Parts: sequence; structure tokens; C-alpha cells
Amino acid sequence: DTGVSQDPRHKITKRGQNVTFRCDPISEHNRLYWYRQTLGQGPEFLTYFQNEAQLEKSRLLSDRFSAERPKGSFSTLEIQRTEQGDSAMYLCASSLVSTEQYFGPGTRLTVT
Amino acid sequence: AQSVTQLGSHVSVSEGALVLLRCNYSSSVPPYLFWYVQYPNQGLQLLLKYTSAATLVKGINGFEAEFKKSETSFHLTKPSAHMSDAAEYFCAVSGNSGAGSYQLTFGKGTKLSVIP
Repeated sequence: DTGVSQDPRHKITKRGQNVTFRCDPISEHNRLYWYRQTLGQGPEFLTYFQNEAQLEKSRLLSDRFSAERPKGSFSTLEIQRTEQGDSAMYLCASSLVSTEQYFGPGTRLTVT
Repeated sequence: AQSVTQLGSHVSVSEGALVLLRCNYSSSVPPYLFWYVQYPNQGLQLLLKYTSAATLVKGINGFEAEFKKSETSFHLTKPSAHMSDAAEYFCAVSGNSGAGSYQLTFGKGTKLSVIP
């Protein structure tokens, strides 16, 4: 039984570069969520997919951020023109309908 | 709109002592409530959940929480702390946001230290 996986686990990038993160949810889960967690804070919701459809986006998701889930399986989160304020842990979670969400280990992004 | 307040950003207990982590919530819809635990540089692990069944919920590792609607609280307890319980604990609330997402709204977390 594999849980949610995320790749890479750590990413260091220079300001202005683009980065892309991948999330593989639990296989039978049709819902996928992205959250961002900054130091000393709880995770904050970014966006949500049901199957391949992106149904909700937070105001935190500026136009530099884009997320996809092309075949309703894995998802990618891309950040263009990274800024130092983007440094955070990016967490992916998956679930079945309205049940509990299972989280991956996260991708820690450091923008220098 | 939903929100969660966790009282105490840092709680210290002695090994073997009672653990009590406080959580109060605000929700405009019937809430689902969760406690998650996070170890350093890891993702979140679900401890327990309340989804409108029994008000006293038992979770993993000996933790339990009681839903009190009149107090809008969902405090987490464990009778006897173990060294391995040292971690950060997050309370979260969800409900149908209208887009059907059931997104989680988290508190700021409480870091639990266990003193030998």
C-alpha cells in the first residue's frame, strides 16, 4: 500500500527561475489538494482537483502558479519567476470524496 | 468561513503526564474536525477525525479528542505522554466550501515537548 509521494523532496533555486513539483496520490483517490506551509504556520490551501478538473483555487495562488492533473492521476505544480517569498514546504494530499486527506512528505523549496 | 485557533504554540509535559492540546473552531457549516501530527521535515499524519458520529473520537497512538459543540472545541488528549509524542500537532476543520472541495483550514500548530 503506497501512500502519497512527492518529488523532489528538496529544491533550491535562484530567484527568477521556474520550478515544477510532482505529486502522485493514492491510486484510488479522485481528489487531490495542494497546500503551502511556511515556517511556524499551519498549511494553507492552494488548489483542489477532482479527477482532472481543477475546481477551486485560493487567492494565494497568484498567476505565477499553475497546477495540472492531466489524466486524473498525478499532479504538477509549477511556479514561474520564483521569488524569495515562495520559499516554503509544498504539501500534496489526496482523498476519496469528503473523507480524510492523506498527505505526502512535501517538497521544501528554498529560493536564494 | 472557517477558522481554527490553537491555544499555546508550545506545550511541555513530563514523560508519563497528561497531554492536553487545545483547539477551538469556527465554522458556518457542520464541521468535520481533524488532528494531524507532523514530525520534523515530514508531511502530516492523521491522528483522528470527527465527522458527526460519536463526540468522543479515539485515534492512533493512544490519542483521543472530544467534540463539544457548545464550546466549539475539539481538544486533543493522551493520558500518558511518551518521548515519541514530541512533534508538532495541527488541528484542522473542513466543510463543503460550496465548490465541494472540503479543503482543510489549519490552526498554527502546537509544538509538544516531552521532558524525560
